[in-house]
Amino acid sequence: DIVMTQSPDSLAVSLGERATINCKSSQTVLYSSNYKNYLAWYQQKPGQPPKLLIYWASTRESGVPDRFSGSGSGTDFTLTISSLQAEDVAVYYCQQYYGSPPSFGGGTKVEIK
Amino acid sequence: QVQLVQSGAEVKKPGASVKVSCKASGYPFTSYYIHWVRQAPGQGLEWMGIINPTRGSTTYAQKFQGRVTMTTDTSTSTVYMELSSLRSEGTAIYYCARNQQPGIASAGADYWGQGTLVTVSS
Repeated sequence: DIVMTQSPDSLAVSLGERATINCKSSQTVLYSSNYKNYLAWYQQKPGQPPKLLIYWASTRESGVPDRFSGSGSGTDFTLTISSLQAEDVAVYYCQQYYGSPPSFGGGTKVEIK
Repeated sequence: QVQLVQSGAEVKKPGASVKVSCKASGYPFTSYYIHWVRQAPGQGLEWMGIINPTRGSTTYAQKFQGRVTMTTDTSTSTVYMELSSLRSEGTAIYYCARNQQPGIASAGADYWGQGTLVTVSS
C-alpha cells in the first residue's frame, strides 16, 4: 500500500500570508503512460465533508479560488495558499489514487496566527 | 445539481451490523463509481472501498474484507454500505463520494454525501 505523509501536522499563518503544506508518497504516483500524477488535495471544515480542491496534482477544481495551487511530481507534492483568508481555516488532506487502496495523508490543520 | 444524500445517524451495539444508504441525483448514476470513506472522531480519512453502480462490482480495503458489503440499486440511484461485526472503533462518520472521472475507478472524489454518524456503544 502507498503511504502518504503530510507535514506539518498544523500551521498558523497570518491573514494575507502564504501557507505551504507538504505531502510525500512512499512510492511514485506518476503514471508514466500519461504523465499524470494521481494526487488530489481536499479541504475539510468542521462539521462538513471534504471538498475537492486540486486533482492531477495541480488542476484546480471548478470554483476553487486561484489562491490555491498544487505542485510537485513523483513522490513530493505541495499545496500552497498564496494569501490566507479567514475562510481557509480548515484541515487539508492529500490523497493518492494511483494505487489500490487509495490512501490519504494524515491531514494538516491550518489556523490564523 | 449533483447531490448525494445519505441516511440518518445510527446507534448500534458491538457485534451488530449497520447499513447506510446514499441516494444520488443530478447526474447519470451508472456513469460514476462511488467511494465509501470513514472518519473516526477527531481523526483523518480512511478509504473503505468502491463500487461500480452499473455492474455492482466492488473493491474493498483489505482492513474491511469480509465485514463490508457495498451494493447498488439502479432503479433508485442508491448505493448501500453494510458493515458487520461492529466494534467500538467503528464509531465514525461514514461518507459516500462520487469518483470524479466517469467510467473509471482511479480518481479523486468530487461530490460527497453529508455523512452518516454511526455510534457503536453497548
